[in-house]
Amino acid sequence: QQQVKQSPQSLIVQKGGISIINCAYENTAFDYFPWYQQFPGKGPALLIAIRPDVSEKKEGRFTISFNKSAKQFSLHIMDSQPGDSATYFCASPLNTGFQKLVFGTGTRLLVSP
Amino acid sequence: NAGVTQTPKFQVLKTGQSMTLQCAQDMNHEYMSWYRQDPGMGLRLIHYSVGAGITDQGEVPNGYNVSRSTTEDFPLRLLSAAPSQTSVYFCASSPILRTENTEAFFGQGTRLTVV
Repeated sequence: QQQVKQSPQSLIVQKGGISIINCAYENTAFDYFPWYQQFPGKGPALLIAIRPDVSEKKEGRFTISFNKSAKQFSLHIMDSQPGDSATYFCASPLNTGFQKLVFGTGTRLLVSP
Repeated sequence: NAGVTQTPKFQVLKTGQSMTLQCAQDMNHEYMSWYRQDPGMGLRLIHYSVGAGITDQGEVPNGYNVSRSTTEDFPLRLLSAAPSQTSVYFCASSPILRTENTEAFFGQGTRLTVV
């Protein structure tokens, strides 16, 4: 019952390039869209989040773009660095109000030097 | 500065054995949850709790039990381990109410192998 579809499954980008990961959601009641970053052997950690009344949010080299009509949101990593190599998950809450999250299937990003 | 602590980090079980994965948080968070992570399937919610004494099922609850007797602890019990439960398990906690900046804090994970 995957309610958040994430692509691509894996991505290789050269250092300095732009990494783009996409997610599509089904439930129009979703009101919060976070991205989590996971390094090998570690638990996921919040990277950046957006609410659907905002079309874009930028924090440093990381940008979330949100398209409410298409029910899609994406993560852009500008000037990708080898230290960005990790698995990225999009997520969204299953209920209004609290943190019951459903996650995408993950994208393994490798930034080559 | 512990955050969410999971024990053990690694475990090998034989089919049919039972065990408890421990999870403790020191941030006084009301909401706690357990996920399993499998290749190509992302993180799937097993059980969650909105406070002491209150638990509910997530997406994949079969074969697992939970209880929440205190705010700090949320153990996950495998009743009779099966090879299909081989996975990496993550515990997470967060404040009960969500804002744009609310973060779910994850533990380091428990890698479980059932043979």
